[in-house]
Amino acid sequence: NAGVTQTPKFQVLKTGQSMTLQCAQDMNHNSMYWYRQDPGMGLRLIYYSASEGTTDKGEVPNGYNVSRLNKREFSLRLESAAPSQTSVYFCASRRGGRGSNQPQHFGDGTRLSIL
Amino acid sequence: RKEVEQDPGPFNVPEGATVAFNCTYSNSASQSFFWYRQDCRKEPKLLMSVYSSGNEDGRFTAQLNRASQYISLLIRDSKLSDSATYLCVVNGNFGNEKLTFGTGTRLTIIP
Repeated sequence: NAGVTQTPKFQVLKTGQSMTLQCAQDMNHNSMYWYRQDPGMGLRLIYYSASEGTTDKGEVPNGYNVSRLNKREFSLRLESAAPSQTSVYFCASRRGGRGSNQPQHFGDGTRLSIL
Repeated sequence: RKEVEQDPGPFNVPEGATVAFNCTYSNSASQSFFWYRQDCRKEPKLLMSVYSSGNEDGRFTAQLNRASQYISLLIRDSKLSDSATYLCVVNGNFGNEKLTFGTGTRLTIIP
């Protein structure tokens, strides 16, 4: 009964380091999403993938790359981490598809600090 | 104008009271609407979807007003456990998988 699984849950990086946040879902959902949440800003969409093999930019894509490795997995990569990327990152998935009114399901989040 | 706007609050409401939040959206073609709740430092969790005819789930009632482009959430007989941040979520055009969150409304129920 895993749902959406994110790893790691916590990470501290130095400025300039790179890392990949992993996300996997076991609900056979088509759409997957990466958000960041900062105090007072709500959730802001970084990238999303409407289906395997496609990705699209959200509101705040700069400094990030994504890979939809297969239907289950959607990873977020920081190539050169900056202090402004300190945030809580949430992955979500949704059944999706044209006409879908299905909600998103969220992972527990990754708390990332860039020093 | 922001795509999705909410009154950030905070709303401080006595236990047992009724409280209502509104959320406005800018895209008249939006088709999917949801209310989520988020507890401190936790992931957002679905509270309820919002249907065109309005819908109710226990003490919670959601309404959609397409003409004025807003959705609302009504909480009756509020409980201490209702204290949380409430997020509205709206999608883009029909078939568009991009969902946009409001910044959330903070609710605190006072004993």
